Amino acid sequence: DGGITQSPKYLFRKEGQNVTLSCEQNLNHDAMYWYRQDPGQGLRLIYYSQIVNDFQKGDIAEGYSVSREKKESFPLTVTSAQKNPTAFYLCASNFGTGGNQPQHFGDGTRLSIL
Amino acid sequence: QKEVEQDPGPLSVPEGAIVSLNCTYSNSAFQYFMWYRQYSRKGPELLMYTYSSGNKEDGRFTAQVDKSSKYISLFIRDSQPSDSATYLCAMSANTDKLIFGTGTRLQVFP
Repeated sequence: DGGITQSPKYLFRKEGQNVTLSCEQNLNHDAMYWYRQDPGQGLRLIYYSQIVNDFQKGDIAEGYSVSREKKESFPLTVTSAQKNPTAFYLCASNFGTGGNQPQHFGDGTRLSIL
Repeated sequence: QKEVEQDPGPLSVPEGAIVSLNCTYSNSAFQYFMWYRQYSRKGPELLMYTYSSGNKEDGRFTAQVDKSSKYISLFIRDSQPSDSATYLCAMSANTDKLIFGTGTRLQVFP
């Protein structure tokens, strides 16, 4: 079955620790996205990538980093510089640019602070 | 003022009711409009996707876009308890950047 797989489902971070969230898609999509979802705030864009080896900052990129070494994979690292990391993180993908391709989402990773 | 406004609810209706969910927006450049359904602890699932103004129907769901009023709606006919979820509107201009509403929580009781 084609889809977007996020892992782990739940993740706990200690003070001063970096953690990496995985996102893999087998939909042959070109573009991939990371969002953060907080209660009452809707989804906010962290980073996105339209092609391999290239990515752009979204609205709330501070304290996060990404890489795009393969078309299928777009991991997100939450660094110790992100002071309020507790949230639901969602990965999405679509076929490309221009706004005319709807984004499809994985089932998210819930990150909490220990 | 947010670019996209959506009443958070919760909206509680009896089974079989017609549900109306709405979003307003301020950016007249938006051309692509989407509705997503999100169950608890799950990712959003695309329900409806429309371009520009007009109506689109898919089974029990109808999406309406009124660009002159900057207003979009999702109607659910014959609502079922399984429709209980949070509904997110989203929209974009000619870019990859999606702007989301905060979501409306819907509860359909038997």
